[in-house]
Amino acid sequence: TQLLEQSPQFLSIQEGENLTVYCNSSSVFSSLQWYRQEPGEGPVLLVTVVTGGEVKKLKRLTFQFGDARKDSSLHITAAQPGDTGLYLCAGLPYNNNDMRFGAGTRLTVKP
Amino acid sequence: NAGVMQNPRHLVRRRGQEARLRCSPMKGHSHVYWYRQLPEEGLKFMVYLQKENIIDESGMPKERFSAEFPKEGPSILRIQQVVRGDSAAYFCASSRTRTGRDADTQYFGPGTRLTVL
Repeated sequence: TQLLEQSPQFLSIQEGENLTVYCNSSSVFSSLQWYRQEPGEGPVLLVTVVTGGEVKKLKRLTFQFGDARKDSSLHITAAQPGDTGLYLCAGLPYNNNDMRFGAGTRLTVKP
Repeated sequence: NAGVMQNPRHLVRRRGQEARLRCSPMKGHSHVYWYRQLPEEGLKFMVYLQKENIIDESGMPKERFSAEFPKEGPSILRIQQVVRGDSAAYFCASSRTRTGRDADTQYFGPGTRLTVL
């Protein structure tokens, strides 16, 4: 079982729509990262959230870290075809050396 | 500032051969991580190294796989006697530190896609 559960697994929407993807766990994380990965490439870091309840904005992307630091969400406003990709959340559980990744949400934005 | 570099980008090996994957971390980064990604799946942690030390290899198969990060030169992930099930994308990441606010932020290379025939 995944330590970090991402939902939905697949999402296909039209250009201009809004969407939210979720990253949930029963474990507490010292911080959580969101990455975007395009086919044939490595994951590219989008944001790191550290403080419970923290909200960070990156243009049309809004990231939130849950108050209890167990979950996070990514909201995209007015999605564009360039947003298409695999969105991965990752975090380091306390007392653990290895970063855990969710399985990802594969987003397709149709023009 | 160059990002994490991996080579080769694509590697084809026949069953039983050895595969060597190289990773040069970002400048100023002394922590290196290796991950494996199968098609349509997320990344699975394999090993975490600092210069000349393996810190955590709990995600790496005990047989045929080894990793090193020498004092000079890139980190190497070595797979001996490859089998078809080793076919995957192998990603390396690096971080500057493991303490403080940036402790958990890792930057990834473009990956090496290993195909075992």
